[in-house]
Amino acid sequence: AQSVTQLGSHVSVSEGALVLLRCNYSSSVPPYLFWYVQYPNQGLQLLLKYTTGATLVKGINGFEAEFKKSETSFHLTKPSAHMSDAAEYFCAVTYNNNDMRFGAGTRLTVKP
Amino acid sequence: NAGVTQTPKFRILKIGQSMTLQCAQDMNHNYMYWYRQDPGMGLKLIYYSVGAGITDKGEVPNGYNVSRSTTEDFPLRLELAAPSQTSVYFCASSSDGRVYDYTFGSGTRLTVV
Repeated sequence: AQSVTQLGSHVSVSEGALVLLRCNYSSSVPPYLFWYVQYPNQGLQLLLKYTTGATLVKGINGFEAEFKKSETSFHLTKPSAHMSDAAEYFCAVTYNNNDMRFGAGTRLTVKP
Repeated sequence: NAGVTQTPKFRILKIGQSMTLQCAQDMNHNYMYWYRQDPGMGLKLIYYSVGAGITDKGEVPNGYNVSRSTTEDFPLRLELAAPSQTSVYFCASSSDGRVYDYTFGSGTRLTVV
């Protein structure tokens, strides 16, 4: 069965520092992988996705993620954190349209 | 363009009461989903629908029912509310053939006391 593990429920970085949010997946078939962001009292918004093709995926707001099959990972990075990046981030995996599994989430705090 | 609209935004229920969470989308999406979000647990799929008249269970369907009489609407019914159903509920939709095209509503925060 497919599942997602996000390492670290809370991550704190300084403004301007590198953001690294970790995601590992378990899937018996080639996965589709996603990162979503959730701001307070809002729904989830898609940051980026990997389906097929290039393993380095660029998303909105300067985020990117790399699909590494050998490591079963899909870590999210951003070179320089902004205060506006403070939010909760969810990694998700699916291989069909009817069963997307989400990780428990990582809350990102950005310190001035 | 409203996207996915959920009502109400907040609700407090007493144990044993029932209610319907409303979800409507104006994007002509065939696929619609209901998730619940519990602290530290991510989102879990309750029910989904691949088109009007077709629904199916997700990971955590017990205590809930759904219907899909139109493409636009996908209400979630709670019968005999229990404290374990205290959660934030999200509705989402996606178009055919694009597994990643999820649009989420802003959620309904439900407390059962």
